[in-house]
Amino acid sequence: KAGVTQTPRYLIKTRGQQVTLSCSPISGHRSVSWYQQTPGQGLQFLFEYFSETQRNKGNFPGRFSGRQFSNSRSEMNVSTLELGDSALYLCASSLAGTSENIQYFGAGTRLSVL
Amino acid sequence: AQSVTQLGSHVSVSEGALVLLRCNYSSSVPPYLFWYVQYPNQGLQLLLKYTSAATLVKGINGFEAEFKKSETSFHLTKPSAHMSDAAEYFCAVRATGGGNKLTFGTGTQLKVEL
Repeated sequence: KAGVTQTPRYLIKTRGQQVTLSCSPISGHRSVSWYQQTPGQGLQFLFEYFSETQRNKGNFPGRFSGRQFSNSRSEMNVSTLELGDSALYLCASSLAGTSENIQYFGAGTRLSVL
Repeated sequence: AQSVTQLGSHVSVSEGALVLLRCNYSSSVPPYLFWYVQYPNQGLQLLLKYTSAATLVKGINGFEAEFKKSETSFHLTKPSAHMSDAAEYFCAVRATGGGNKLTFGTGTQLKVEL
C-alpha cells in the first residue's frame, strides 16, 4: 500500500510569490491534515480536511489556504510569500471516523523563500 | 487547550544504555497520546499510541511508553539504545471529540554514542 505522497519535495520561491503544495493520501483515507515545521516554532497545525470540507483550522493568517478534492487529494496554497514561510510542510492522512485515527505522514515539502 | 511538554531538547546516551525521553501532557480528560520519530529529511513515523486501552504501550523498534494519569506523563523508553535510534522524537496529543488535530511537543533530539 502506497504511503502519503507529497509533491514537490523541494521548492524555492521569492518573496511575494505564491506556491501550491500537493498531497496524495493513503488509499481509502478521507482525512488530510497539514502541518508546518520550523526550527523556531516547531510543528504547528495548519488545517484539516475531511470529505472536501475544512473541519479544523490552526492559527495561521489567511494567506494560508487549502482544499480537498473528491478523491481525497489535497492542496495547500500560500500567497504573498514571506521569508518566515520557509519551512517543511508536512501532510498527514488518516482513516477519519475510527477510534484510532492514526495520522500517517508524508516526507514533506521543503519550501525556501528567498 | 491541550498541550504536551517535552523535557530536554537534547538527550545523549551510550549504545546499549537505557533511553528515556520525557513527555508530560496537559488535559482535563484522558487524551490520545502519540510518540513519533523523525529521521533527517523525512516525515514523521508513528512509534506508538495511547488510546486508553492499556497504560503500558508497546511500539515499534523496541520502544514502549507508560501512561501515568497521576503524573500526567507519557514517557518513552527503550531498554538498550542502538545507533539507528539517533533521530528526533516528538510527543503529541490529540483531543477527544472529533477532528484529527495533533498538538506536538518541541521535540527531543536523541544522540547515541559508541
